[in-house]
Amino acid sequence: EPEVTQTPSHQVTQMGQEVILRCVPISNHLYFYWYRQILGQKVEFLVSFYNNEISEKSEIFDDQFSVERPDGSNFTLKIRSTKLEDSAMYFCASRIPGRQETQYFGPGTRLLVL
Amino acid sequence: KQEVTQIPAALSVPEGENLVLNCSFTDSAIYNLQWFRQDPGKGLTSLLLIQSSQREQTSGRLNASLDKSSGRSTLYIAASQPGDSATYLCAGRSGAAGNKLTFGGGTRVLVKP
Repeated sequence: EPEVTQTPSHQVTQMGQEVILRCVPISNHLYFYWYRQILGQKVEFLVSFYNNEISEKSEIFDDQFSVERPDGSNFTLKIRSTKLEDSAMYFCASRIPGRQETQYFGPGTRLLVL
Repeated sequence: KQEVTQIPAALSVPEGENLVLNCSFTDSAIYNLQWFRQDPGKGLTSLLLIQSSQREQTSGRLNASLDKSSGRSTLYIAASQPGDSATYLCAGRSGAAGNKLTFGGGTRVLVKP
């Protein structure tokens, strides 16, 4: 069964460094998402992406964050200058078009900012 | 703005007992509601999606109901097993352009052998 994959599974970085989290959505999916979950808290929406542009973003998704689909398969989340509070599990999700379609989530990247 | 709440935050039952997990949401104009399972330190596994036009959806021992008018969804797990121990999350999909999911805080379930 097709699945969303994410790399790396774990990333440790120093505060102020740039990180890029990578996702490979399911191949025929057209809508892509990033969510994050700070330890012990709710899963929070960050951004949605369709047709090579951001369709919605949360207030968390400030100028330090950016997303890109550099080729036909990858979907990336970049954090330009990481902060301690960016430490979280980051989930990528994707779905096919349609209002009633399931979002499929990847296994997540655990980011630790020191 | 959609708010999703799950009560209780934790639940412990003996093996074989039926589980009833509750989810409430504030915006009845949701497109659908998804239930997920999350094991400790792991990703989200989609269990069921119940569409806004449906009242119930079933998959094996799992049954989800949706009552938009009261802003509630319930996940029933029949004949619980120790392997059902996990955190269960519900998430409502909104009507905004990107159709984001808004998650509840989850119910942590422990099924005791």
